[in-house]
Amino acid sequence: AQRVTQPEKLLSVFKGAPVELKCNYSYSGSPELFWYVQYSRQRLQLLLRHISRESIKGFTADLNKGETSFHLKKPFAQEEDSAMYYCALSGRETSGSRLTFGEGTQLTVNP
Amino acid sequence: NAGVMQNPRHLVRRRGQEARLRCSPVKGHSHVYWYRQLPEEGLKFMVYLQKENIIDESGMPKERFSAEFPKEGPSILRIQQVVRGDSAAYFCASSWDSQNGKLFFGSGTQLSVL
Repeated sequence: AQRVTQPEKLLSVFKGAPVELKCNYSYSGSPELFWYVQYSRQRLQLLLRHISRESIKGFTADLNKGETSFHLKKPFAQEEDSAMYYCALSGRETSGSRLTFGEGTQLTVNP
Repeated sequence: NAGVMQNPRHLVRRRGQEARLRCSPVKGHSHVYWYRQLPEEGLKFMVYLQKENIIDESGMPKERFSAEFPKEGPSILRIQQVVRGDSAAYFCASSWDSQNGKLFFGSGTQLSVL
């Protein structure tokens, strides 16, 4: 079975401070991990995926198979980063691009 | 490209009525996914369809729920004899490729059952 856990429902930081949104997963096969983001009054959209090893809007995430984690990090948070963030998992053994989502973390960046 | 279009945005039904939710994927996308989000919970997978075929319906309740994605027209999620517990936000997503995990989401339909 696939499971994604985001332990923090709410996270509040000040502008310029580092931010880390935690994500842990359980999956017996070979996972692909993603971060999706939903800004206020906008649709859910892909932020980044681990296979691309990319940095988007200053965010990075490293897949740690030993700790089964895929934490999202940014060294200097900006107010426009305030949004709902969802970690998601897709297994190679599952159908298509079916994703299992965590429950989300609401990030608030204060001025 | 208008993206994934879902309608209606809000749907109110009384217990026992039928709810029909529509989803038009991004032009050229042939893979459609439906998710449900209950209050205070994350998105839960319901069903994955390709044109005219249900590929994975492992997240669909066994009764009252059905989905289709016809050759022409939008994908439809149908809930018969709705109950209060069906009240939720229903999101549709589409993709061009079945393997890359990049889904384009609609704005959702908020179903309220009175």
